[in-house]
Amino acid sequence: ETGVTQSPTHLIKTRGQQVTLRCSSQSGHNTVSWYQQALGQGPQFIFQYYREEENGRGNFPPRFSGLQFPNYSSELNVNALELDDSALYLCASSQGSMNTEAFFGQGTRLTVV
Amino acid sequence: KQEVTQIPAALSVPEGENLVLNCSFTDSAIYNLQWFRQDPGKGLTSLLLIQSSQREQTSGRLNASLDKSSGRSTLYIAASQPGDSATYLCAVLYGNNRLAFGKGNQVVVIP
Repeated sequence: ETGVTQSPTHLIKTRGQQVTLRCSSQSGHNTVSWYQQALGQGPQFIFQYYREEENGRGNFPPRFSGLQFPNYSSELNVNALELDDSALYLCASSQGSMNTEAFFGQGTRLTVV
Repeated sequence: KQEVTQIPAALSVPEGENLVLNCSFTDSAIYNLQWFRQDPGKGLTSLLLIQSSQREQTSGRLNASLDKSSGRSTLYIAASQPGDSATYLCAVLYGNNRLAFGKGNQVVVIP
């Protein structure tokens, strides 16, 4: 059991809608990173939050946004959903932003129709 | 560009055989390398973490080696079991705080 929990596990949204995904980091971890995994692909880095500040961003448009709370849990928000946003969204937590082991949650499967 | 490649994409082995999974990366300026297991539709389970200064790590039947100069890592799974059937992902951590993943090795162990 990794201790990283994500909610919801599955959801279906309509193109153009907005969605919020949640992640609770493992106890003692202050860093959360979000990844998008399309079917048959490796996860792609979206962004990272370290002590409530964004600490690096991948090649994703601004409609992907996030935040981290004082308890180090995090949210990923996606506006104006597109069909290509359908994917497994993974949250990873770690202690510190550099050179530490990352632990992943079970993921949220988002389907955009 | 920091690319990670895993070969082969898929493989099947009879139960009891040793598994050898390969990972290569283009930029050798890594901080660490992690091997993960992923079951269908599920999240990632960390198997082994190798720091850039290390040559290998072992956990039970699993052994991972790292050759940073040649940009390669190999995951060995001894005496494979049907429960080892899964996708194995290699991920490299660079100084930009992000893990770069390969597409994975999809493994089927035949009873």
